[in-house]
Amino acid sequence: GAVVSQHPSRVICKSGTSVKIECRSLDFQATTMFWYRQFPKQSLMLMATSNEGSKATYEQGVEKDKFLINHASLTLSTLTVTSAHPEDSSFYICSATTGRAEQFFGPGTRLTVL
Amino acid sequence: GENVEQHPSTLSVQEGDSAVIKCTYSDSASNYFPWYKQELGKRPQLIIDIRSNVGEKKDQRIAVTLNKTAKHFSLHITETQPEDSAVYFCAETGGGNKLTFGTGTQLKVEL
Repeated sequence: GAVVSQHPSRVICKSGTSVKIECRSLDFQATTMFWYRQFPKQSLMLMATSNEGSKATYEQGVEKDKFLINHASLTLSTLTVTSAHPEDSSFYICSATTGRAEQFFGPGTRLTVL
Repeated sequence: GENVEQHPSTLSVQEGDSAVIKCTYSDSASNYFPWYKQELGKRPQLIIDIRSNVGEKKDQRIAVTLNKTAKHFSLHITETQPEDSAVYFCAETGGGNKLTFGTGTQLKVEL
């Protein structure tokens, strides 16, 4: 139980284009989903907290107009990186929780912006 | 919330030896302390966690200790094996379930 999937696992795009990443809880309903970014050899940094049916809460320094988060249902959240640039290249990981402290992580999406 | 310091950043041990990784946090409201193992390019994998009402927890070769007064917690791995080689992250959360991660420890278990 408590499986979280992400799609795509890898994406390469041109600078200036937008990329959408999906995060799904497969066997449970997630009251909250989190989006993290991880640069090489660094820790996970929380980007935003997403609750179903409400606007995401972004961490300080994360541009909400650049990283659009939609949490349309209790099993799906999407992160759209708009007008991507090479500095946005990173490993993006989502997690989901049922409201308890433990978070269940997706397998991550490797984004490369050329 | 707030900051989590993790030491050491790299740790090399001989197979069969013990490994200890320490973390210090600053938020007195923190009440949940998980440890994750992350292999290259993979998701963080929860290996053990502890809550603030417990001082120690053990699961086979892995144990975690928590000192709330000093605001630090440690991961102990005994009888290390080559497959224990990975990056380990501590984390903590208080209200709101937002996890703050430590900076990570690259553990290498040498034959």
